[in-house]
Amino acid sequence: SSELTQDPTVSVALGQTVRITCRGDSLRNYYGSWYQQKPGRAPLLVIFGQNNRPSGIPDRFSGSSSGYTTSLTITGAQAEDEADYYCNSRDSSGNVVFGGGTKVTVL
Amino acid sequence: QVQLQESGPGLVKPSQTLSLTCSVSGGSISSGGYHWSWIRQYPGKGLEWIGYIYYNGDTYYSPSLKSRINMSVDTSKNQFSLKMSSVTAADTAVYYCARAPTRSSVFDPWGQGTLVTVSS
Repeated sequence: SSELTQDPTVSVALGQTVRITCRGDSLRNYYGSWYQQKPGRAPLLVIFGQNNRPSGIPDRFSGSSSGYTTSLTITGAQAEDEADYYCNSRDSSGNVVFGGGTKVTVL
Repeated sequence: QVQLQESGPGLVKPSQTLSLTCSVSGGSISSGGYHWSWIRQYPGKGLEWIGYIYYNGDTYYSPSLKSRINMSVDTSKNQFSLKMSSVTAADTAVYYCARAPTRSSVFDPWGQGTLVTVSS
């Protein structure tokens, strides 16, 4: 299967740490990427590869992978981090797949 | 930096063909090294990859949509396009174009997206 599974919602207290996970068969062989999406905006790449951040993404965002799971960690969550987060990857056939998204609420 | 902008009708009738264009600025499609994708997002959340095209016109489509879609590239205009035939209400979504390195699924940047509603 090339599906990616994410928890639908996660909450975190302001300044605390939250980890969002994404599970799928394709992640055993391919790195996942993570995108942040705020209401009315296009997705924004925040983590790719083993643990790489595009220019301009704060270093409180980090990524990790193990087995069939990839994770996004926000260390010291800020109010502006409240958003939907999507993972994606590819499979061996070249198909691209997205997770269903995780809504992160900062309390 | 590279920027992408989608354009096309916001309303399409059922059974007709949806046509969208993505204009690229700040970089050239013909320089290679990337593929150019269409991705859609249904109302309420989910993202679905539609397919991608290379500067030379090679394409790869989502198996679930390949019977209805056609992508093309116009390097002289630095644009690429999507046509989706026989649309239904289930094709109502925000359509994004995005760039990724060859053989990668890392999409950056994305266009701002355009809402396409299928309705009579």
